[in-house]
Amino acid sequence: GAVVSQHPSRVICKSGTSVKIECRSLDFQATTMFWYRQFPKQSLMLMATSNEGSKATYEQGVEKDKFLINHASLTLSTLTVTSAHPEDSSFYICSADRVDKNIQYFGAGTRLSVL
Amino acid sequence: DAKTTQPPSMDCAEGRAANLPCNHSTISGNEYVYWYRQIHSQGPQYIIHGLKNNETNEMASLIITEDRKSSTLILPHATLRDTAVYYCIVSGSSNTGKLIFGQGTTLQVKP
Repeated sequence: GAVVSQHPSRVICKSGTSVKIECRSLDFQATTMFWYRQFPKQSLMLMATSNEGSKATYEQGVEKDKFLINHASLTLSTLTVTSAHPEDSSFYICSADRVDKNIQYFGAGTRLSVL
Repeated sequence: DAKTTQPPSMDCAEGRAANLPCNHSTISGNEYVYWYRQIHSQGPQYIIHGLKNNETNEMASLIITEDRKSSTLILPHATLRDTAVYYCIVSGSSNTGKLIFGQGTTLQVKP
């Protein structure tokens, strides 16, 4: 069964609104989680590293004020796409780092469509 | 970060073994080789990983060359449900455990 839960699986919103995506590790604690974005027919692109209890680390070219990340507990990280626009439409995927197994487990992804 | 090179696509007959190669000639001593796969419109699924030794689990086997510059993922009896994009990724503590995805290999299992 899934060890990382991502919600919602699909969201459609109007341009200018904000959307929050949740990522939960189900049976382990994760001090580190990661957020990716994937455009059609492309590979996953790492957006940021979410660190429990501290600020997220963003990859070059990713706007931190646009993509707000909060990792308030050892099992939950959230990604908020602020003032979403059509170009933000994409497949967003999270992963959680299971340190004891040295494995990252991925969520099922969130399909965001901004109208 | 060590980079990997994979063929863009491969075909395999159903029931036969699928052997997916990966080159990672710049891998450093503390970096692991990870394999994930992504079925259309889903999140990546972990398959297997290894450091030096060959590894086997219920899904696949991972063969790593002695010099660690290349590896092969083996799906022993491919089924149609194994059709996916397979990613070979090198990662370790030197890059804070980030997984940097390349283009992967699209494996098409045919009846």
